[in-house]
Amino acid sequence: AQSVAQPEDQVNVAEGNPLTVKCTYSVSGNPYLFWYVQYPNRGLQFLLKYITGDNLVKGSYGFEAEFNKSQTSFHLKKPSALVSDSALYFCAVRLPMNYGGSQGNLIFGKGTKLSVKP
Amino acid sequence: GAVVSQHPSWVICKSGTSVKIECRSLDFQATTMFWYRQFPKQSLMLMATSNEGSKATYEQGVEKDKFLINHASLTLSTLTVTSAHPEDSSFYICSARGQGAPYNSPLHFGNGTRLTVT
Repeated sequence: AQSVAQPEDQVNVAEGNPLTVKCTYSVSGNPYLFWYVQYPNRGLQFLLKYITGDNLVKGSYGFEAEFNKSQTSFHLKKPSALVSDSALYFCAVRLPMNYGGSQGNLIFGKGTKLSVKP
Repeated sequence: GAVVSQHPSWVICKSGTSVKIECRSLDFQATTMFWYRQFPKQSLMLMATSNEGSKATYEQGVEKDKFLINHASLTLSTLTVTSAHPEDSSFYICSARGQGAPYNSPLHFGNGTRLTVT
């Protein structure tokens, strides 16, 4: 079955320190990978995506993610965390077009709560 | 650009009544909209996919007669929770794919609707 795993329910980081939010996936073929952020009682905001090409993808708000095909991972990173980065982060995959009848919906991980302390 | 407006942002209703949630793409046309449900501290679960002018495709386990989806135009999809019960209380989020958007483009999400059934 197609799935996305975020092994950490919560990540705690001190402001100014680097952060990593982990994501691994189990999907047939070459999926498209996404990271979204969600603030309380809000929808999801797109951060970045990996489609093809360079394994290091840069996105919004200084975030970046590294695609590792052999480890089927797509970890989210930021060199220096801010208190305002505290939110819920979701990793997601989109199945290849027409795979299993996919119309482009996203399969989400369960989310990781990032807490950045001053 | 690519703004999705979801209304209402929160609603409280009595058990047995019906509630309609609207999802509008404000500055683009959306041929496909996705409806997700999010339980507290859990991931987003796809409920159904709606395509303009055709019947929605429901995910396994989602009652189509309870969660009525209508996608009557390229800018509006509605989700009606019929005969709501307390177990339907949840956070409902819509997202949209733009008409003609590349398959690898990110989905645009509404800000969600917090439904509480008393």
